[in-house]
Amino acid sequence: EPEVTQTPSHQVTQMGQEVILRCVPISNHLYFYWYRQILGQKVEFLVSFYNNEISEKSEIFDDQFSVERPDGSNFTLKIRSTKLEDSAMYFCASSDRTATDTQYFGPGTRLTVL
Amino acid sequence: QKEVEQNSGPLSVPEGAIASLNCTYSDRGSQSFFWYRQYSGKSPELIMFIYSNGDKEDGRFTAQLNKASQYVSLLIRDSQPSDSATYLCAVKDGGSARQLTFGSGTQLTVLP
Repeated sequence: EPEVTQTPSHQVTQMGQEVILRCVPISNHLYFYWYRQILGQKVEFLVSFYNNEISEKSEIFDDQFSVERPDGSNFTLKIRSTKLEDSAMYFCASSDRTATDTQYFGPGTRLTVL
Repeated sequence: QKEVEQNSGPLSVPEGAIASLNCTYSDRGSQSFFWYRQYSGKSPELIMFIYSNGDKEDGRFTAQLNKASQYVSLLIRDSQPSDSATYLCAVKDGGSARQLTFGSGTQLTVLP
């Protein structure tokens, strides 16, 4: 069964450093998403991406964040200058074009900012 | 601000019993509703979705939607210890937006 994959599973970085989180969405899906979940809190939407551009973003997704689809399979989230409060699980998700728009989540990347 | 509310629990049921999980949402224009299961330290795993008023059954799971009351629920029949997890309610609005708004989840424990 096709699934979303994410790398790395755990990333430790120093405050102020740049990190890139990588995702491979399900191959025939066209919509891609990033969510985050701070420990003990809700899953929060960050950004959605379609046809090589951002279609929606939340207030969390400020200028420190960017997304890119560098090739036909990968989808990345870059955080330019990490802060302590960026420590969270980051989930990539993808969906197809059906009306229900069911989103399937990857296993997540745990980001720890020291 | 769109809100999705769930009782945080914990909810404990004995093995074989029916577990009932509830969710309310604030945006009357919401159209699609999803239940995800999340084991500790893992990602949300889709259980089922519903978008029409009434009941939808899938195996041991039944989702119920009442748009007039802005209420969606999940029933788990014949609960098993492996069902012990946090259940997340997620809502998508009816416009072109595709983002999901999640509730905080209900922690379910099924006791052997």
